[in-house]
Amino acid sequence: DAKTTQPNSMESNEEEPVHLPCNHSTISGTDYIHWYRQLPSQGPEYVIHGLTSNVNNRMASLAIAEDRKSSTLILHRATLRDAAVYYCILAPLIQGAQKLVFGQGTRLTINP
Amino acid sequence: EADIYQTPRYLVIGTGKKITLECSQTMGHDKMYWYQQDPGMELHLIHYSYGVNSTEKGDLSSESTVSRIRTEHFPLTLESARPSHTSQYLCASNRGNSQYFGPGTRLLVL
Repeated sequence: DAKTTQPNSMESNEEEPVHLPCNHSTISGTDYIHWYRQLPSQGPEYVIHGLTSNVNNRMASLAIAEDRKSSTLILHRATLRDAAVYYCILAPLIQGAQKLVFGQGTRLTINP
Repeated sequence: EADIYQTPRYLVIGTGKKITLECSQTMGHDKMYWYQQDPGMELHLIHYSYGVNSTEKGDLSSESTVSRIRTEHFPLTLESARPSHTSQYLCASNRGNSQYFGPGTRLLVL
């Protein structure tokens, strides 16, 4: 499985944008880039995914580098509820199934 | 909003007992998964299923077993619980590119 590299932790202020980076230099052509987050004492929650083009949804935006070797999750206006561990994961879709490999992720702290 | 349920949410049990952790989803998803997560550590995939009568082992070796007799139900069983099985167990399902996770079962084996 292709590996990703994320900072261990990041800190931001409430109502400011947050850019969470992820490096994945060994990504293969069939790997989707997935982002999940895990709030304290909860199961992971899907945030966004993409393959080649930038993606937007109600939770966040995903900016993917042209060579696909890195990506950035963008939270446009952070709230206290966004404090969580954010995971960047590469996985192909095989027979409709994804074998997600979770790393350490980035622990995001939001200051009031 | 995803509908995936796990019971029990918390379980304290003695060594040697047989336990079954329940996972159900009402979304009609074919693909289901079990992950194990120790406190403060990474999630590891231990079992997954492509659909009814399909079960596969994940990346982390586990002494647990699973079954998939119905689409909506994916129980995990430990025949003889040991303290090393103490962990959080998370169930998930997907159709397409997003997995939906249940709230997890926190297991403590004494």
